[in-house]
Amino acid sequence: EDKVVQSPLSLVVHEGDTVTLNCSYEVTNFRSLLWYKQEKKAPTFLFMLTSSGIEKKSGRLSSILDKKELFSILNITATQTGDSAIYLCAGGYSGAGSYQLTFGKGTKLSVIP
Amino acid sequence: DAGVIQSPRHEVTEMGQEVTLRCKPISGHNSLFWYRQTMMRGLELLIYFNNNVPIDDSGMPEDRFSAKMPNASFSTLKIQPSEPRDSAVYFCASSSSGGSSYNEQFFGPGTRLTVL
Repeated sequence: EDKVVQSPLSLVVHEGDTVTLNCSYEVTNFRSLLWYKQEKKAPTFLFMLTSSGIEKKSGRLSSILDKKELFSILNITATQTGDSAIYLCAGGYSGAGSYQLTFGKGTKLSVIP
Repeated sequence: DAGVIQSPRHEVTEMGQEVTLRCKPISGHNSLFWYRQTMMRGLELLIYFNNNVPIDDSGMPEDRFSAKMPNASFSTLKIQPSEPRDSAVYFCASSSSGGSSYNEQFFGPGTRLTVL
């Protein structure tokens, strides 16, 4: 059975801290690893990673994939209160006719002033 | 574009009642996904449609759940009869199908269902 495991489940940091969120996966016919940010409402897309060792960056967020170890990390530097959210990791694979995602349970990040 | 539209946003019902959740995907998208999110199990795929045809419903928990997509702009997820353990947030997402290529899934705001 496919599974995606995230750690830690929750994290509380102070503004300005750097955090690292972890994601391990076992997904059949794996194609890519995706990160989403979920605030009060729907998940919003952050990154998609398909190749090992190539870092993707967007502002203070960055992520990297290790396809040998079946692992990805999401780094957030100089955290702000607006970074408080649930961060979801998903393994993407090709299903019949479309692309499917298996999600982890998420890491709840709380950034306090 | 209004994005993925779901209704109702909140639903409170009593055990045994029928519940119908609705979704309007983004115009032009031909893949539609229904997810359920709980604290215990996270975000789980229930069923997805491609070109209005159900492709994989292996995530549907049991026969009490059914989903339809009568046309490209509308889908429903029905629970009959509902049970307290069905309480969760139900998300609908849509994407433009790229076959084996990833096309971003856009999520609706979700329906928070509470079954008493």
